[in-house]
Amino acid sequence: TQLLEQSPQFLSIQEGENLTVYCNSSSVFSSLQWYRQEPGEGPVLLVTVVTGGEVKKLKRLTFQFGDARKDSSLHITAAQPGDTGLYLCAGATYNTDKLIFGTGTRLQVFP
Amino acid sequence: EAQVTQNPRYLITVTGKKLTVTCSQNMNHEYMSWYRQDPGLGLRQIYYSMNVEVTDKGDVPEGYKVSRKEKRNFPLILESPSPNQTSLYFCASSRNGYGYTFGSGTRLTVV
Repeated sequence: TQLLEQSPQFLSIQEGENLTVYCNSSSVFSSLQWYRQEPGEGPVLLVTVVTGGEVKKLKRLTFQFGDARKDSSLHITAAQPGDTGLYLCAGATYNTDKLIFGTGTRLQVFP
Repeated sequence: EAQVTQNPRYLITVTGKKLTVTCSQNMNHEYMSWYRQDPGLGLRQIYYSMNVEVTDKGDVPEGYKVSRKEKRNFPLILESPSPNQTSLYFCASSRNGYGYTFGSGTRLTVV
């Protein structure tokens, strides 16, 4: 069974702080997707990274795909209360096109 | 508006009573999937489909059926629901597998 481990599981920080969430696996993925989920709602796609070593920026969020396509990171600069939510990484497998979700990181940003 | 529509949002049913959760997308997407989300277990894939009449099992398919007779619809069928199928269910669609749009979820309780 392919697993995607996210760390940390929980993160509670003050507004203005920086943070990094990690997503690690022993498997190689064709793409790595990041989602944010609010309570009671479906996950919303933030970004998809496809190429090993790729870096994508979305305003204050920076996403990186590992060179070996097994891991990824999400860095948030100057976190704001609106960033609060559950962050999920998901890897798309080769051949089967299945999407494997990570264990999730619950972020709370206090004003 | 581009969206994935699931119905119903909430459902309470009794053990053994067949039910169907509908899912429809208006984006002409090829890929569609069903997930269940449980505390401590995260999002797990039930079934997925890469095209009309093409479906495959995810990680937790037991007790569920799906069909893909038309591109836009992907219903989830529970022939004989049991209490361990109490969960939050999400349908999702994607043009090519590189990023999914999720529905708002169906909270199912089986008593």
